[in-house]
Order: sequence, then C-alpha cells, then structure tokens
Amino acid sequence: GQNIDQPTEMTATEGAIVQINCTYQTSGFNGLFWYQQHAGEAPTFLSYNVLDGLEEKGRFSSFLSRSKGYSYLLLKELQMKDSASYLCAVFLSGGYNKLIFGAGTRLAVHP
Amino acid sequence: DTGVSQDPRHKITKRGQNVTFRCDPISEHNRLYWYRQTLGQGPEFLTYFQNEAQLEKSRLLSDRFSAERPKGSFSTLEIQRTEQGDSAMYLCASSMTRSSEQYFGPGTRLTVT
Repeated sequence: GQNIDQPTEMTATEGAIVQINCTYQTSGFNGLFWYQQHAGEAPTFLSYNVLDGLEEKGRFSSFLSRSKGYSYLLLKELQMKDSASYLCAVFLSGGYNKLIFGAGTRLAVHP
Repeated sequence: DTGVSQDPRHKITKRGQNVTFRCDPISEHNRLYWYRQTLGQGPEFLTYFQNEAQLEKSRLLSDRFSAERPKGSFSTLEIQRTEQGDSAMYLCASSMTRSSEQYFGPGTRLTVT
C-alpha cells in the first residue's frame, strides 16, 4: 500500500521558521511535491524534489532523502498569509501516473 | 488568465440524482487528472487522461462514476445516483508532462442532501 505521514497541525509565530516533515512508504517513487492549500481553495504548487538534497526557492525550501523516505518543507520569515494546509505528495513510478497525497499539515501562524 | 477552470463551483443535489462536472485544463496540457478531497484530507486520485485516452482509474471510482475527455481538451465527470458519501470537493488538475507539476482548478464542491 501507499503511506504518507505528516503532522496534522502545527503553530508558529510570525517571523519565525517552521519545518514540516513528511515520511513516505510507497510502491515506486518518481518525485515528491509540496503544495499549499488555503481553506476552500485549490492546492498551489510550492516545490518538487526528485534527487536528494535541498531545493531553495525564496522563503521556502524543500529537502529530500530517498533512502530514508523523508522530506521536509522549511518556511522562513513566516507571514500571516502562510497560514494554510501544506500537502506532501509522492509521484509514483512504474507505469503509474498519479500523485498520492498525505492528509496535509494545517499551519497556523500567530502574531 | 488561462489556468484550469471548473464548472460549477458549487452543486447541491438530492440523493439519487445525477450530476455532471466540467473541467477545462490549461490549453497546452495533454494530461488531465480528477481528484476528490474531503474535509481534513489530502486529494485522492480518481482518474487520469492523456489526451482523450483514460489511462488509469482508481478503485475509488465505483460504477456510478464515469469520466470522459472526448476531444482531448475539456473533461466531464458524471456521478449517477448520488449518495451522501459522495459529498466532497472534486478537483481537476492538468500537467504538461508526466512528472511535471500539476496545476489545480478551483474545484467543484458537491453537497448531497
């Protein structure tokens, strides 16, 4: 089966740094995506990792370790608008063509 | 703006009725996906099209669900004999290549009473 785990909820303070972890056990792996989803809205793409290491994009960075089945999303200089759900998703390989999503981590940023 | 669009945005229907949703992907994207999302969960894959061919279908998609993409452009998702358990957000996404990012539409929120 496919299993993706993320913490359900996190809280952080405006201006701080927060790390959202994701572990996965899937039958095949062809990349890991992070999406942001505000309440009632569609997910929007944040990052994509297919090789081990850190990908940095402005205030957002994402890390992948394929051998450990582990990724994290790092958000720096938190802003109130970063309050949202963050979805970790694995793109399966082996002839499949679909993303398997975790349940998402609801991040609340407080002043 | 040429993002993914979905219609309608909200649909309320009575149990047992049929409903149909439409998705218009980004024009140059030949891959189109349907997902279902319930409160507090991530999107669950339903089905996938490459051009007009439906190449993959989840076991979640019972016989009451059918999807089409007749000309490789827009797609429709029909649910027959709706049940209360079908209440969810139905999301459509499109992508240009197999492993590139998927762009999501705003979703259709279905409420079955």
